[in-house]
Amino acid sequence: NAGVTQTPKFQVLKTGQSMTLQCAQDMNHEYMSWYRQDPGMGLRLIHYSVGAGITDQGEVPNGYNVSRSTTEDFPLRLLSAAPSQTSVYFCASSYLGFGTGELFFGEGSRLTVL
Amino acid sequence: DAKTTQPNSMESNEEEPVHLPCNHSTISGTDYIHWYRQLPSQGPEYVIHGLTSNVNNRMASLAIAEDRKSSTLILHRATLRDAAVYYCILRDYAGGTSYGKLTFGQGTILTVHP
Repeated sequence: NAGVTQTPKFQVLKTGQSMTLQCAQDMNHEYMSWYRQDPGMGLRLIHYSVGAGITDQGEVPNGYNVSRSTTEDFPLRLLSAAPSQTSVYFCASSYLGFGTGELFFGEGSRLTVL
Repeated sequence: DAKTTQPNSMESNEEEPVHLPCNHSTISGTDYIHWYRQLPSQGPEYVIHGLTSNVNNRMASLAIAEDRKSSTLILHRATLRDAAVYYCILRDYAGGTSYGKLTFGQGTILTVHP
């Protein structure tokens, strides 16, 4: 199994540009989420989804959009990139499994906004 | 939302046991306790989880206080490869607020000395 796949692994953007970070999982997980991690900091939840067609905001949703049209994919869109969005982004997925679902993380996407 | 509190950092010597504490005084009856760790430049990985009883797996043990307001991750013999950031999080299994909105704190930085 590929697990959780994130693309691209590295990206440099200019302020105001838009882009989409892709996340795909092949484990038929209901739950998917996006986190950002700034240097020396913990993970902060951006958006999450508990199934196709269902999304909700996390701790830091401003400046990001998500959609969940399939179980497998959960793209994160930056509408107008800002230097404050320079970070490492992690996608995670799990079964909902009555709270026992183990989270599987991707390898991360490192984004730099100039 | 239930929150967890962990020490910022801990140190250990190689081949000695390590006890990583986590306080979760506002835990609800339907919250599972999950532990993850993040090795340098990698995404977090699952370590262990539990509800009420102590749990063991090949990586670690989880000791849960009788009142469930705290827990301890135990690495029985620390190795240099265990140097990482360790996160304790709560995951609701009954559809409560932490069912999908999983929040990570800053975790505990574990340093292992040779």
